Amino acid sequence: DTEVTQTPKHLVMGMTNKKSLKCEQHMGHRAMYWYKQKAKKPPELMFVYSYEKLSINESVPSRFSPECPNSSLLNLHLHALQPEDSALYLCASSQDRGAGAGTDTQYFGPGTRLTVL
Amino acid sequence: GQSLEQPSEVTAVEGAIVQINCTYQTSGFYGLSWYQQHDGGAPTFLSYNALDGLEETGRFSSFLSRSDSYGYLLLQELQMKDSASYFCAQKRDTGRRALTFGSGTRLQVQP
Repeated sequence: DTEVTQTPKHLVMGMTNKKSLKCEQHMGHRAMYWYKQKAKKPPELMFVYSYEKLSINESVPSRFSPECPNSSLLNLHLHALQPEDSALYLCASSQDRGAGAGTDTQYFGPGTRLTVL
Repeated sequence: GQSLEQPSEVTAVEGAIVQINCTYQTSGFYGLSWYQQHDGGAPTFLSYNALDGLEETGRFSSFLSRSDSYGYLLLQELQMKDSASYFCAQKRDTGRRALTFGSGTRLQVQP
């Protein structure tokens, strides 16, 4: 199974709502990532979890709150978002071979398309 | 920091060969990866080069020249389904596990 799943596929929320994005993988990968992608732009890294610990936070606003309940699951909790946060949110996973070893290929989920009204 | 430069758009016809270039900065270089993303889809891994030279995977090949801080993706026998965005990506600096993506090249294959 080389699949990363994400739910929901689409999400529309108001600026006062609280919602969560979910990501799951069963490849035994120990690194999981959240990326944000705007139209016609490359994915931008938000967070990295390595062995269920947050290892990178790319100065993301606190209205985005990641959580890694176990090695297969990754959540992104959303609260008080702004319209400019509307984007495709991509989850990815990799084996996590560390900084120097090989490519550490990332497998991406299909994404959640988020619209903030 | 790290930045990767790619052409924004390339157009080619079915059956042709196209080359997508990528130049990168050398700080903390651990190799160059290529990802394909169809509209509305997820990025999928295509190829990786850690050392100089050509890596071939079917119709797709990737090349790296570390002395020139340059790589390219070569797509042969183009098919309509190859119309997509292509990103080069560089693993981040020491101790940081993540990719920095290039700006992306939109390939349009015409009949």
